[in-house]
Amino acid sequence: GENVEQHPSTLSVQEGDSAVIKCTYSDSASNYFPWYKQELGKRPQLIIDIRSNVGEKKDQRIAVTLNKTAKHFSLHITETQPEDSAVYFCAAGEPNTPLVFGKGTRLSVIA
Amino acid sequence: NAGVTQTPKFQVLKTGQSMTLQCAQDMNHEYMSWYRQDPGMGLRLIHYSVGAGITDQGEVPNGYNVSRSTTEDFPLRLLSAAPSQTSVYFCASSPRRSNYGYTFGSGTRLTVV
Repeated sequence: GENVEQHPSTLSVQEGDSAVIKCTYSDSASNYFPWYKQELGKRPQLIIDIRSNVGEKKDQRIAVTLNKTAKHFSLHITETQPEDSAVYFCAAGEPNTPLVFGKGTRLSVIA
Repeated sequence: NAGVTQTPKFQVLKTGQSMTLQCAQDMNHEYMSWYRQDPGMGLRLIHYSVGAGITDQGEVPNGYNVSRSTTEDFPLRLLSAAPSQTSVYFCASSPRRSNYGYTFGSGTRLTVV
């Protein structure tokens, strides 16, 4: 089955700097890659996703890139703000199977 | 539209007790699933369902049962609670079984003493 590795497990950045979180997946059949943000004590919420026919997707300060050959994808947050502080999860999905999640990255944005 | 509703929000059980965590969605989603979240372990799949009457096991199914008698409801039953089941439980749903984002419930924090 699919296995998703996520790095780093913790990340601290200064406000205004960029943050990058990386994930690798094992199964080349995976074709859907969402990212979730979970604030303290809250539920995970989908912030951006990408499908395997696309190499990059942007939504304001957030972007995701996908390298199918290397089986890795990354989340990029630019101009970080204190409200970006949260745990971020990547996931990978094969057709007709549940998502497999990474173990999460705790991002702290220091004002 | 309430989305995905989980009850209760908090629960304390004694070892050996049984209980049911409730999950309901009002979005006519085909796919529903249960995850548990433990520190440093991410979200691990317990059971899932691709439609009414159909359920399947995930990564960590032992000690849990599910049923899906309606599209809306997907309860999770703990048969005989153990301290290892202390966790935060999330229910999630999706319009389709694949290639689509999940909507999560607000979670149930369960402590087994």
